[in-house]
Amino acid sequence: QITLKESGPTLVKPTQTLTLTCSFSGLSLDNNGEGVGWIRQPPGRPLEWLALVYWDDDTRYNPSLRGRLTITKDTSRNQVVLTMTNMDPVDTGTYYCANRRLGYNIFDYWGQGTLVTVSS
Amino acid sequence: EIVLTQSPGTLSLSPGERATLSCRASQIIGTNFLAWYQHRIGQAPRLLIYAASTRAPGIPGRFSGSGSGTDFTLTITRLEPEDFAVYYCQQYESPALTFGQGTKVEVK
Repeated sequence: QITLKESGPTLVKPTQTLTLTCSFSGLSLDNNGEGVGWIRQPPGRPLEWLALVYWDDDTRYNPSLRGRLTITKDTSRNQVVLTMTNMDPVDTGTYYCANRRLGYNIFDYWGQGTLVTVSS
Repeated sequence: EIVLTQSPGTLSLSPGERATLSCRASQIIGTNFLAWYQHRIGQAPRLLIYAASTRAPGIPGRFSGSGSGTDFTLTITRLEPEDFAVYYCQQYESPALTFGQGTKVEVK
């Protein structure tokens, strides 16, 4: 059974860097085809894809946020880390990590999400 | 970027009724790389449909997807109480993944 769980700060100040960790079990990012992504949802707004890291260390980013995002994987710890620089109040929202369905850039197992508030 | 426009924004229906949700893409999705998710309040999104019409494992048969090109549809044949939620489409033809703005299915 695949499970994922997000962790990180619940409150960050404007201009700070956010670091979120996704800890997972039941999958290995050493395996061909695997990937883990991050998706967020600001309050009252739709889902927005942020980034994706693949088993082979390839990465993809939302072009509108490129330059602010970095996604990395640690296969020995079964973790994926997302950093987002220069945080702004509009970045407030629930951040989810999710496992990529093999062969497709869609997400079939999700964490419960973590709410991040950006405020001074 | 492929923009996905979902309609209607809100659908007010009663349990047992049929729900038809639309997702229109700003350019042709030739591979039919279009997925649908259900998002209940306080829960994680749930993958329902991928490749426009393939149900994900464990998804009940009352959910079906159809369409091609730029126009896609999610149909729920008979609404159950647990189906009242927000539904999102997502395209994965482009490396820049995008979601629609969502359709809320609410109890009439």
